[in-house]
Formats: sequence, structure tokens, C-alpha cells
Amino acid sequence: DGGITQSPKYLFRKEGQNVTLSCEQNLNHDAMYWYRQDPGQGLRLIYYSQIVNDFQKGDIAEGYSVSREKKESFPLTVTSAQKNPTAFYLCASSMLGGGANVLTFGAGSRLTVL
Amino acid sequence: AQSVSQHNHHVILSEAASLELGCNYSYGGTVNLFWYVQYPGQHLQLLLKYFSGDPLVKGIKGFEAEFIKSKFSFNLRKPSVQWSDTAEYFCAFWVPGGGADGLTFGKGTHLIIQP
Repeated sequence: DGGITQSPKYLFRKEGQNVTLSCEQNLNHDAMYWYRQDPGQGLRLIYYSQIVNDFQKGDIAEGYSVSREKKESFPLTVTSAQKNPTAFYLCASSMLGGGANVLTFGAGSRLTVL
Repeated sequence: AQSVSQHNHHVILSEAASLELGCNYSYGGTVNLFWYVQYPGQHLQLLLKYFSGDPLVKGIKGFEAEFIKSKFSFNLRKPSVQWSDTAEYFCAFWVPGGGADGLTFGKGTHLIIQP
């Protein structure tokens, strides 16, 4: 089945450590996104990418980094510079053009900083 | 700035009650509108969408939404809710021709249906 796979599902991290969240899609979508979901805050865009080797900052990119070396993969690194990293992280993908605005989401990764 | 306002953060209803979740957006031009739903433990998924044409759109599981351009609204409705409708609901809009970052989400409404 086509879809988006995020791993790990749950992750615990000590303060000061970087952590990388994986996102893989087999939908042949060009665009990929990372959102952060906090209770009562909705979804906020961290980074997005429309093409391999290119990505743009979203609304809350500080303390995060991404790469897009392959079309299928868009990993997110939560760095020690992120002041409040405990959250639920959602990866999504979409086509570009006419279908660009319909997103397919992964199951999410819940990060807890101890 | 573009934004989406969902009027209720938490809604509690009994089974068979009628549902209406409010959504208003702030943008003066043409928009595409969406409702996404996140059932407990499941992926966020598309419930319904409006691009153009008939302003009353029907989605999965008996949900519908009406686009009222003059009110900048896209309220979600269901005549008779079920316990399985318990979920978080997100309204969103996209500006056609906008970049890939153009999807703006509301803060969500947590709906609880009591048996």
C-alpha cells in the first residue's frame, strides 16, 4: 500500500541531544512537509521541500534542520537549539500543481525531552 | 496574515445529536477549503474539500460542509453523530497559486461523543 512511514513512533531524548525523525513515502509525491502538533495549537509548518536537494523554512524552523537527498525521504533533525522540542511531529506529502493542496500524512512521531 | 479560526476547541455531544463545527478564514481572494480529521491513534486524513462549484460538499462518513463566501465560512455538519466520530477536526485553507507552504490550519476542535 502506498503511504508515508514515520519512525520512530515514540522517542525520548535528554536535553542537549540532537535527534533525527525519519519520514519515507512511496507515493511518488514531489512535495514533502514537516508539521509540529501541540495541544490547542493546531498544525504548524516547520520545513517543506518541493524538489530533491531543495527545501524552505516554514513558520517555526528555528532549532530544526532537514535534508532531501532522495525524493522518497525527508528526515527532520531536532537540534539542541530547539527550546521546547517535546511535541508530536507529523510528516506529510503531496503532488505539486493541481493536487498540491491535498496532503497525505504519516502516523506521527512523539518526541519527549527528559 | 492568513488565518483560520475554529470557534470551539472542545465539543461534547451525545450520540444521535446534530453537529456543526464552525470555521472562518481570513483571506479576501479565492481559496480551497478542507476539513481533516484525526481519529484516536490514527493518521490525520482528509474528510472533505471544496475547490469550486456547488458550495455544499459531501465527505466521508456522512459529513458535509457548506462554503459561504460572504461569511468567509466553511462549517462542518453531520445530522446525527456516532460514538465513532470522536476525533480531532481541523479546518484548513489553501490559496490557489500559492506556494507549497500555502496550507493554513486552524487550531482544531476536539469532539467527544458520549454513548
